[in-house]
Amino acid sequence: GAVVSQHPSWVICKSGTSVKIECRSLDFQATTMFWYRQFPKQSLMLMATSNEGSKATYEQGVEKDKFLINHASLTLSTLTVTSAHPEDSSFYICSASSPEITLVGGYGTQYFGPGTRLLVL
Amino acid sequence: SQQGEEDPQALSIQEGENATMNCSYKTSINNLQWYRQNSGRGLVHLILIRSNEREKHSGRLRVTLDTSKKSSSLLITASRAADTASYFCATDQTGANNLFFGTGTRLTVIP
Repeated sequence: GAVVSQHPSWVICKSGTSVKIECRSLDFQATTMFWYRQFPKQSLMLMATSNEGSKATYEQGVEKDKFLINHASLTLSTLTVTSAHPEDSSFYICSASSPEITLVGGYGTQYFGPGTRLLVL
Repeated sequence: SQQGEEDPQALSIQEGENATMNCSYKTSINNLQWYRQNSGRGLVHLILIRSNEREKHSGRLRVTLDTSKKSSSLLITASRAADTASYFCATDQTGANNLFFGTGTRLTVIP
């Protein structure tokens, strides 16, 4: 099956620093990657959608200058939380999709990474 | 909001019993998916049901979809302690390029 990895799985940082989270598709080329955020005991909320080689599309209310997304290759997307503050502490999950995955699994099929837990002190 | 609603929010049952979770949504969909999330972990895809399907089975899972009522249910039969997790429905909505997740049901199976 399609595998998506995230790195790091855990990160603790001081307020004001920037944190980069990587999302990789290990055995397929991900033309589209999605970034989600999940606060404790809440559902996943989509932050942005990124297509390889183009700018990410951000959801309403998500600051694009604070959450920088780069999808420079078909196997890697990065989310950088700039000048992180305690309220940015959350669980960040990426997912990936491609035309091949859609063909096999049906429209809308995404494979999810294991998530990255960010704690900003 | 395009987010779906799930009920109950929390469910506690004895091992061996069946667990039923419901999901309601608001717009037209291409398909509806169910995911499981163990505490602090990533999502695991359980099952996908297309808009033209009414029922689907996978092992101990049974999913139904009623597009006229814009609702779906997930039934886990003969539950096990290892089924303890949060369960989310997610809709692939017509005209949208991403999934919209429900609010989730926290299932606790007591050994």
